[in-house]
Amino acid sequence: GQSLEQPSEVTAVEGAIVQINCTYQTSGFYGLSWYQQHDGGAPTFLSYNALDGLEETGRFSSFLSRSDSYGYLLLQELQMKDSASYFCAVTGGFKTIFGAGTRLFVKA
Amino acid sequence: DGGITQSPKYLFRKEGQNVTLSCEQNLNHDAMYWYRQDPGQGLRLIYYSQIVNDFQKGDIAEGYSVSREKKESFPLTVTSAQKNPTAFYLCASKEGGRAGNQPQHFGDGTRLSIL
Repeated sequence: GQSLEQPSEVTAVEGAIVQINCTYQTSGFYGLSWYQQHDGGAPTFLSYNALDGLEETGRFSSFLSRSDSYGYLLLQELQMKDSASYFCAVTGGFKTIFGAGTRLFVKA
Repeated sequence: DGGITQSPKYLFRKEGQNVTLSCEQNLNHDAMYWYRQDPGQGLRLIYYSQIVNDFQKGDIAEGYSVSREKKESFPLTVTSAQKNPTAFYLCASKEGGRAGNQPQHFGDGTRLSIL
């Protein structure tokens, strides 16, 4: 079967750094993606890792370890607008499987 | 601007009724997807299509049907066989191919409720 595990909720303060972990079990793996979704809105793409290591895009970084079937999203200099749900997603072939999402609450 | 348009934004279904959700994209993407999202949950794949006139069942296809007669359009019909249709439905598209480095672009969704 295919499954992704990520924490259901994370709370952090403005200006801090937060890490959202994702472990996966899939048949067929091309890469790990991260999406952000604000309440009532559409998911938007944040990052993609196909190879082991860290990818940095502005305040957001994403890490992948294929041997551990593990990745994380790192958000730095948190802002109130970062309060949203974050989904990890595994692409294997033509399908993309999404995790249940991590709700991030950023406090002032 | 290129993008994905879903309509309507809100839809109400009566018992025993079939309803169709529209999804149109002008991104010239080959692949299109339909997802269902329940409150506080992730996205579950209903159907996907890699090319015109071809589509595949996802993980929760029962009670749904799709067509892909044009590259730009991928409508989803929620049939009366779907006994719990209340959810947020998201349509997505991406460039073709198996690699995951092309992101999926999502529409703004349709919120379906039972009357």
